[in-house]
Amino acid sequence: KAGVTQTPRYLIKTRGQQVTLSCSPISGHRSVSWYQQTPGQGLQFLFEYFSETQRNKGNFPGRFSGRQFSNSRSEMNVSTLELGDSALYLCASSSGEGNSPLHFGNGTRLTVT
Amino acid sequence: GNSVTQMEGPVTLSEEAFLTINCTYTATGYPSLFWYVQYPGEGLQLLLKATKADDKGSNKGFEATYRKETTSFHLEKGSVQVSDSAVYFCALTPTSNTGKLIFGQGTTLQVKP
Repeated sequence: KAGVTQTPRYLIKTRGQQVTLSCSPISGHRSVSWYQQTPGQGLQFLFEYFSETQRNKGNFPGRFSGRQFSNSRSEMNVSTLELGDSALYLCASSSGEGNSPLHFGNGTRLTVT
Repeated sequence: GNSVTQMEGPVTLSEEAFLTINCTYTATGYPSLFWYVQYPGEGLQLLLKATKADDKGSNKGFEATYRKETTSFHLEKGSVQVSDSAVYFCALTPTSNTGKLIFGQGTTLQVKP
């Protein structure tokens, strides 16, 4: 079974631009969650999508948004990039039911200059 | 609110030494508890989990017991190997049917031959 796939692996953007990150979950998983990992703040939850609906949301500004498609693939968008958005963005998928464990991708490393 | 506190790292051990990484949590209700491991350049991998009080999660020689009375979930391994060198994260999910995890700050383990 293929794991969680995130593309691209690396991105370099300029302050003020926008960026879209992609995540393909494990086949059959209906939940996709996004996390931001930085040395200072650690791992922080951004949002979760389940069956194309946002089910949970973390405490990030509206510049961070996401969506999920009917095949469960998900995208995350960050608009008006700031230097502080530089981070490793991790996507995780699960069945979304009960206490099912999260399976993480290898992440997208975003650098904002 | 919900939070997870881990011991500060890095933890440096010699091969075959005994490992303990402390983790305590604050949560309302009855959370599920997890340990994840992150190797350099990779995403997080689920190491073990426990979903109710007194449950013991175990995998690859690692163990952790859900202690509700002390709100703890300490990770232990009897004999570490160089290949165990990684960052370890304790996490909780406050409810079921969610992809939202609350992580501790992570503990870096370095095992020397």
